[in-house]
Amino acid sequence: GAVVSQHPSRVICKSGTSVKIECRSLDFQATTMFWYRQFPKQSLMLMATSNEGSKATYEQGVEKDKFLINHASLTLSTLTVTSAHPEDSSFYICSAGGGAGNTEAFFGQGTRLTVV
Amino acid sequence: SQQGEEDPQALSIQEGENATMNCSYKTSINNLQWYRQNSGRGLVHLILIRSNEREKHSGRLRVTLDTSKKSSSLLITASRAADTASYFCATEAGGFKTIFGAGTRLFVKA
Repeated sequence: GAVVSQHPSRVICKSGTSVKIECRSLDFQATTMFWYRQFPKQSLMLMATSNEGSKATYEQGVEKDKFLINHASLTLSTLTVTSAHPEDSSFYICSAGGGAGNTEAFFGQGTRLTVV
Repeated sequence: SQQGEEDPQALSIQEGENATMNCSYKTSINNLQWYRQNSGRGLVHLILIRSNEREKHSGRLRVTLDTSKKSSSLLITASRAADTASYFCATEAGGFKTIFGAGTRLFVKA
């Protein structure tokens, strides 16, 4: 399958700071990328959908000003958690869809965010 | 939002036994996938079954799909302690948007 790379895999940041997570499709052009969040012992919840060159669409209950999503190119989407709080500590994972012949989305490895 | 429900929520079995997990979903789909996730780790893709397929096999895994009932099952045969993990079904209904079920936590006792 196609390869999606997510970076960093782990990050620790202080409360009040911002942290950026990158999601790259390495061998295909991703017209659409998705961001998920997973709290301990829970499932993955879709946060937002981003299409290259347009504003992201956020799921209900997700603060768009807190979770900034940029999809500036067909191979890169970024999620920035602004003014992070300990409650934002979670596992964030992206997926990417698109490219010739691909009929499903492919997932990155995930990012473990810890806010202290 | 979550698309589906999974049952059981948790399953504890002895090594060598079979494990069956069920998934139900709400809307029409293009495909359904099963993933495994070890504690604190990323997703491992297990198997994808398309809406026009009824059954797929991969090693010790067997997946069925019943679109009339909007349900799927994952069977792991001859389970091993290393199969201990959370298992998620995920549906894709178009546009690459994948929605996950609540998951089943499987514990295989050695």
